[in-house]
Amino acid sequence: DSGVTQTPKHLITATGQRVTLRCSPRSGDLSVYWYQQSLDQGLQFLIQYYNGEERAKGNILERFSAQQFPDLHSELNLSSLELGDSALYFCASSASLARANTGELFFGEGSRLTVL
Amino acid sequence: AQKITQTQPGMFVQEKEAVTLDCTYDTSDPSYGLFWYKQPSSGEMIFLIYQGSYDQQNATEGRYSLNFQKARKSANLVISASQLGDSAMYFCAMRESSGGSYIPTFGRGTSLIVHP
Repeated sequence: DSGVTQTPKHLITATGQRVTLRCSPRSGDLSVYWYQQSLDQGLQFLIQYYNGEERAKGNILERFSAQQFPDLHSELNLSSLELGDSALYFCASSASLARANTGELFFGEGSRLTVL
Repeated sequence: AQKITQTQPGMFVQEKEAVTLDCTYDTSDPSYGLFWYKQPSSGEMIFLIYQGSYDQQNATEGRYSLNFQKARKSANLVISASQLGDSAMYFCAMRESSGGSYIPTFGRGTSLIVHP
């Protein structure tokens, strides 16, 4: 158990809909990362937050947005969903930027999104 | 261009034997880090090992070692004495320091199957 909690574990929805994925990092971890894992694209970095502020942005679509709240949990919002958005969405956390520097990212079990 | 290349989509190994999973990388950043993660069928990503670009010695963690050949830009994972529980996807990742964000970029992964 990594200590990172993601909900929901599975989600099935229709095209055009909007969903919210939630992540609770390990206790005390300030940094949260979101990744998308799909069969054709592998594991793609979406966005990082550190202590409530956006720190880095990757290949995140404009239809997607995220935030990190004062209690450090994070939410990833996916809107106007398309079939191609079907993927496993991971949240990861690290204690600090320095710890992340040495690969100490702790991943949740992911949220599997299926868009029909 | 791919920053992390894993050329072996699938590997098979006999239980108790050693196996090497290949990873090559591309970066112009003098300060970088290389990691390996394991993803069992249950889906979670598990951090295995880290190698910094300035580390003189190859990293080791139990049965895992990282064969770091800087001039060749390769960071192969060696698993000694394979166990059935090692069957999983293995991802090589690299962290560059550009922009101070330290975001790991992942390869496409190698599927390892350990036979009894």
